[in-house]
Amino acid sequence: HVQLVESGGGLVKPGGSLRLSCEVSGFTFSDYYMAWVRQAPGKGLEWVSYLSDSGTYIRYADSVRGRFTISRDNGKNSLYLQMNSLRLEDTAIYYCARKYSALDYWGQGVPVTVSS
Amino acid sequence: EIVLTQSPGALYLSPGESATLYCRASQTINDIYFAWYQKKPGQTPRLLIYGVSWRAPGTPDRFSGSGSGTDFTLTISRLEPEDFAVYYCQEYSVALTFGGGTKVEMK
Repeated sequence: HVQLVESGGGLVKPGGSLRLSCEVSGFTFSDYYMAWVRQAPGKGLEWVSYLSDSGTYIRYADSVRGRFTISRDNGKNSLYLQMNSLRLEDTAIYYCARKYSALDYWGQGVPVTVSS
Repeated sequence: EIVLTQSPGALYLSPGESATLYCRASQTINDIYFAWYQKKPGQTPRLLIYGVSWRAPGTPDRFSGSGSGTDFTLTISRLEPEDFAVYYCQEYSVALTFGGGTKVEMK
């Protein structure tokens, strides 16, 4: 049974940092690309970043490039998103997802609120 | 980066009717890198269609995808009550760009 469980969200002030984690089970983590996608309140889905199975190929959306860093630890079956210099507009539910062709399995999401 | 424009923004339909959703890309997309997702409030997004027309496991056959180049369509025949949701198209050739969504609402 495939499971993806995000953690690490919360309330942070503008300019602050957070690190999201996504622990997976039910499949061989090291065989798959993984991604982060977010949905701001009242808005649509927005891709944030993804990386290859080995972690060597990484892409970022323009809106987060230079502020967010995606990484993974295949030994711990875990995906991470380090978010620095957070802005009000980064407020959203953040989802991790498995990328097998399209995004076929998703976590339940973790809320991030950036507010002073 | 490719921009995806979905239309209409909303559809108001009754159960049993059919829905046709459109997605237009700003440049040609390689067929194998196009998908549709369903999103309901408070729920996780669900992959419906990938590779333009392949149904993901568990997707009912009333959902069908078609299109090529820059124009793609999701058709839902015989709407069921559980189909009322927001639908997003996505290209995943290099980025993972989503369209703005189409809300299918009950009339």
